[in-house]
Amino acid sequence: NAGVMQNPRHLVRRRGQEARLRCSPMKGHSHVYWYRQLPEEGLKFMVYLQKENIIDESGMPKERFSAEFPKEGPSILRIQQVVRGDSAAYFCASSPAGYTGELFFGEGSRLTVL
Amino acid sequence: TQLLEQSPQFLSIQEGENLTVYCNSSSVFSSLQWYRQEPGEGPVLLVTVVTGGEVKKLKRLTFQFGDARKDSSLHITAAQPGDTGLYLCAGNSGGYQKVTFGTGTKLQVIP
Repeated sequence: NAGVMQNPRHLVRRRGQEARLRCSPMKGHSHVYWYRQLPEEGLKFMVYLQKENIIDESGMPKERFSAEFPKEGPSILRIQQVVRGDSAAYFCASSPAGYTGELFFGEGSRLTVL
Repeated sequence: TQLLEQSPQFLSIQEGENLTVYCNSSSVFSSLQWYRQEPGEGPVLLVTVVTGGEVKKLKRLTFQFGDARKDSSLHITAAQPGDTGLYLCAGNSGGYQKVTFGTGTKLQVIP
């Protein structure tokens, strides 16, 4: 499967724990986007990364949230000290270099905070 | 801040009816995409429009980009239950690579 791979698909955490969501982009893609989606709502931009660089993190809360896309390995969205309001579906998308505006999405990671 | 407003927010129609979904912004977009998302899945790209006034057809779906590249529409002819899903427009403006998504239109086609 050469598509965008996200894991875990489902994650349950208790308040105060950490959540780590992983995203492997499509082969040959060097740009990664993370979006958050609440039920019945659209996608809210969180962060845009290229290999080893955060290009735009304007949609990501300043505290508790961080993202990286290392030279080797998947992109990781990390949420520290989770709260109930963090419960949502988190989608990763990738695109090739040479921007086209077209994104290819994974199936999402659904975080539930108890 | 780029803001993409979609209308209607919800639409429930009978199989065989036609419908149009609108995506509007005050910003000029370099390109605009339409996606469809089914429950439990990620969005899937349907089409990209780039040129003002451009019309693209994908079977029973017709996509149009406004002349000023600030708005777009999606028209579905003879809707089928398989068209059910969340339709999202998305775009970027000003040569900026951040992709912003619209508010979404949830479509239900009743057999």
